[in-house]
Amino acid sequence: KAGVTQTPRYLIKTRGQQVTLSCSPISGHRSVSWYQQTPGQGLQFLFEYFSETQRNKGNFPGRFSGRQFSNSRSEMNVSTLELGDSALYLCASSRLAGASVPETQYFGPGTRLLVL
Amino acid sequence: GENVEQHPSTLSVQEGDSAVIKCTYSDSASNYFPWYKQELGKRPQLIIDIRSNVGEKKDQRIAVTLNKTAKHFSLHITETQPEDSAVYFCAARGSARQLTFGSGTQLTVLP
Repeated sequence: KAGVTQTPRYLIKTRGQQVTLSCSPISGHRSVSWYQQTPGQGLQFLFEYFSETQRNKGNFPGRFSGRQFSNSRSEMNVSTLELGDSALYLCASSRLAGASVPETQYFGPGTRLLVL
Repeated sequence: GENVEQHPSTLSVQEGDSAVIKCTYSDSASNYFPWYKQELGKRPQLIIDIRSNVGEKKDQRIAVTLNKTAKHFSLHITETQPEDSAVYFCAARGSARQLTFGSGTQLTVLP
């Protein structure tokens, strides 16, 4: 099976712009979670989507949003970019979401975003 | 919400020695504890996980132990090799049903 893929792999934006990142989960996986990874804050949970619905949300401002399509592919959007948004954005897929038996999450390679 | 603390932040060991990384969590309802290895410039990869109904799990040179009473879990790597050098993250899945990660441990295996 092909792994989780993310596009683009690298992005350079300027403050105030917006950006859209894409994640394609492993075939058959219906849950996609997004994380922000920075040297200072580590891996922080952004949100999780399952069956086109946001199931969970981390402590990030409303500038961070996402969606999921019927084929389970997911996008996240960051509006009005700030310098502090520079990070590696990782998505992870699993078969189910919120199940009483936890599912393993498999990570994509990430999108490295640099905000100038 | 869940809080996961990980120690040490850096760890250097001689090749062939053992390495131990410890994590504590705050949410007593946490029921799933994965460990991820992230090499420089690469994605985090699951190396082992444990569920709350199990106290210990082993996979070749890697083992994880869980103490639910004390709310801590540990990763043990035996017979370390240079290719074990990476950043290791612990995580816990609590009542919010999302993974909360520790801050990471940079493991360096010296030849």
